[in-house]
Formats: sequence, C-alpha cells, structure tokens
Amino acid sequence: DQQVKQNSPSLSVQEGRISILNCDYTNSMFDYFLWYKKYPAEGPTFLISISSIKDKNEDGRFTVFLNKSAKHLSLHIVPSQPGDSAVYFCAASGGVTNAGKSTFGDGTTLTVKP
Amino acid sequence: KAGVTQTPRYLIKTRGQQVTLSCSPISGHRSVSWYQQTPGQGLQFLFEYFSETQRNKGNFPGRFSGRQFSNSRSEMNVSTLELGDSALYLCASSLEGWEKLFFGSGTQLSVL
Repeated sequence: DQQVKQNSPSLSVQEGRISILNCDYTNSMFDYFLWYKKYPAEGPTFLISISSIKDKNEDGRFTVFLNKSAKHLSLHIVPSQPGDSAVYFCAASGGVTNAGKSTFGDGTTLTVKP
Repeated sequence: KAGVTQTPRYLIKTRGQQVTLSCSPISGHRSVSWYQQTPGQGLQFLFEYFSETQRNKGNFPGRFSGRQFSNSRSEMNVSTLELGDSALYLCASSLEGWEKLFFGSGTQLSVL
C-alpha cells in the first residue's frame, strides 16, 4: 500500500513557465510534508516543507500548497529554470508525535527546456 | 559544518556475501535513517535510529540490520546478499527525525 503517490513520472516545461508537481497521500496521520530535489549521483536535498496546520508555504520561486481534505499537495516553481531539471520527491512524516520515519513518493522527473 | 558522509561510495559484491555500509551524520544530529532506492523507485524506508535506539523499521527482511553508536555514527549490514539488493543506499540525518532530512551521496551496491 503506497501511502505517498506521485502519479506523474515525468514533466516537461519551457523555461520561464510554471512547473506544477503533484503528490497525493492516504495516511491521515501524516503531519508534515516535504519536497526534495535529487540530481544524478547525489543524495536528495531538501527544498521546502509545510506543516499540516498551514495550506501554503513560499520560499522564493518555490511554493507548496496543501489541501488536507483532498489529501493532496503540490509544488509550484515559478519561473522554471533549466537548473531546476531534476527528480523531485514528495515526502510525508508523522511530525513531532510520530518521529523517525519519512515516507517518500516515487518521484517526478522535471525537465525544463531552454 | 560537514555534511552527511557515507562510505564506501561504490561496492561490488557477489550473492551470498555480506556487506557493511557506514554513515557519519551531521554533527549534533541524533537521528539517522536509511533508505534504499532502486531504479525507477522512490526511497524505501529501511530503519531509523535515534540516540542508539532503533525507533522505526520498514518492511525489509531480517537480513537488513543496522546500529548506531554513541557518537551517532551508524552502520547498516546486509547479510546473504541477493541480486535484488542491488540499489543505492542512502543515509540521512536530522536533529529529531521528523523534520527535514540531510542526505549523504549514497553507497551504490551492485550484487553479481
């Protein structure tokens, strides 16, 4: 049973446009959500996170939206740049009360074309 | 501040052998977790250690084990290797284990 799903394995956008990456989850106990970016031959790096008490968090060109009722979150990148081309993983954790395990989706490969 | 260090970077083993992977977390981080990534797959959670205690474990067979030392460094062991164990093994550290993770570059294990 995959508790965190990224249904789009790949996404291609033009430089300067918006990239929208989506993620769905099934476990209501998830309390904290994160996005990571991964380049080949490197470990994932943290990008942005959101607590379940919020519905939006912004950091520069990156914004994460959380819809708890739909158990859905999305990552918006505006404007997209070629250097954003990477694999993006959505992850969820139980927060402070259930620490110690993050559940990851399978990833979405983003390609930003110049 | 030094990042998460994993050694070795690459390993080639044959079926039936055992292997030990090492991870040094960021100084001050008490939580160390391990993940397996296979081609086209997400990161599958193996286990997490916090202050030398295994706090969470994923759905992997008992051939996969780990430990954490008093300096927070961690090791992961896989016994009786199978071809399907070929993967990138990632170690991550964090302060408390629920917030953002800092990953190492991983150990690429190939089982022949």
